[in-house]
Amino acid sequence: ETGVTQTPRHLVMGMTNKKSLKCEQHLGHNAMYWYKQSAKKPLELMFVYNFKEQTENNSVPSRFSPECPNSSHLFLHLHTLQPEDSALYLCASSQVEGMNTEAFFGQGTRLTVV
Amino acid sequence: KQEVTQIPAALSVPEGENLVLNCSFTDSAIYNLQWFRQDPGKGLTSLLLIQSSQREQTSGRLNASLDKSSGRSTLYIAASQPGDSATYLCAVRSGGYQKVTFGIGTKLQVIP
Repeated sequence: ETGVTQTPRHLVMGMTNKKSLKCEQHLGHNAMYWYKQSAKKPLELMFVYNFKEQTENNSVPSRFSPECPNSSHLFLHLHTLQPEDSALYLCASSQVEGMNTEAFFGQGTRLTVV
Repeated sequence: KQEVTQIPAALSVPEGENLVLNCSFTDSAIYNLQWFRQDPGKGLTSLLLIQSSQREQTSGRLNASLDKSSGRSTLYIAASQPGDSATYLCAVRSGGYQKVTFGIGTKLQVIP
């Protein structure tokens, strides 16, 4: 266990559905991240939140909508997705700055869009 | 724009062999570099974090080195075991404190 928990682990959704991914960290970190991992591609940073404020949106389509109600929880709301959005979505957390910004990852949500 | 390259893309070795995985990056102005392992369909497990001021870090059978000026890092695995089979990812934090760039990984298979 890394201290970062993601739910659900697997999700199959239709293109007209609305669903949400959840991430929770118990490490006392103040930065949280969403990454997308597609086959044969490097991890792509999607969003970054520092102290609940979004500081990075890496040109992500609006059909992905993040929410960070507090420093321990992060959501990714999904609507009208496309089949090419099928991927492993990973959440991570770290300290914002300082000497130790080691990132810890959750187990990911395997998303399939049909 | 930071780019991270990992060579080789895949590696198959017999059990007990020592091996080296390579990571190179184009922008040497980094804050730190982190090595991860990823098992199939799973998340990432942090192995080692090297700060920009450090030259190497060790954890058990793993040793990671950093040569910032040449834009290179290596992960050395001693006495490899079948349980080491996984994909190893290198990630560089640079260009804005929150920007982390990943390599595509090296898929390692250790044959019993």
